[in-house]
Amino acid sequence: DGGITQSPKYLFRKEGQNVTLSCEQNLNHDAMYWYRQDPGQGLRLIYYSQIVNDFQKGDIAEGYSVSREKKESFPLTVTSAQKNPTAFYLCASSISYGGLAEYEQYFGPGTRLTVT
Amino acid sequence: LAKTTQPISMDSYEGQEVNITCSHNNIATNDYITWYQQFPSQGPRFIIQGYKTKVTNEVASLFIPADRKSSTLSLPRVSLSDTAVYYCLVGEDTGFQKLVFGTGTRLLVSP
Repeated sequence: DGGITQSPKYLFRKEGQNVTLSCEQNLNHDAMYWYRQDPGQGLRLIYYSQIVNDFQKGDIAEGYSVSREKKESFPLTVTSAQKNPTAFYLCASSISYGGLAEYEQYFGPGTRLTVT
Repeated sequence: LAKTTQPISMDSYEGQEVNITCSHNNIATNDYITWYQQFPSQGPRFIIQGYKTKVTNEVASLFIPADRKSSTLSLPRVSLSDTAVYYCLVGEDTGFQKLVFGTGTRLLVSP
C-alpha cells in the first residue's frame, strides 16, 4: 500500500526543546513538502524539496529546518527559535516538481505538535 | 498565484447537489484551477483540476465559464461523509508554484 506516513500522530514538548517530525513516502515521488496548519486556517508552506539533497524555504521557514538525504524521507525539525510551534503539521509529496503534476499533492495524516 | 474567494461555509442535506463557487478575478492565462478536500485532523485530498469548460471525474464536476474568473465545484448527491472543508487553488503550470490554501469553504451535510 503506497502512501505517506507521519509519526507520531501527537507530540508534546516543553518550550525550548528541538523536536523532529518524521515523514516517509513510498510513492517514489521526487517532490516533498511540509505545511503548517493553525486552527480554522488554511495550510502554509514551510519547506519543500524538489529532489534528494535539495530543499527550499517556503513562506514560513523561520525556526524550522529540514533535510532530504533519501528520496523517501523528509524530516522536519522544529527548533526552539520557532516562536509559536504548536500547530498541525502536514507532509506531502508529488510526482514531480513543477507542472500540473505538482498540483496533485498527496498528504500524510499529519502530526499535531503541542509545546508548553 | 491569483487570489481566490470562497464562501466561508455552506449547509446541505444528504442526497442534494452542492455547488461551491470560487471567485478568481485576477486569474492569468496560464493558470489552472484545482480543488482539494480536507476532513478534520487529516491532510487535504486532491479532488479535481481544470482549465476551462467542464471537467468531470468519479467524485465531482468542475465548471469554468469562458472568462475563467470563477469556477464551481459540483458535488452530486452529497452524503454525510462529504462534510469537510473544500479549498479552491489557482496556479500556473510552469515552474514551482506554491499551493496557497485559503480558509476554504466548510460544508456541513445534515441527515
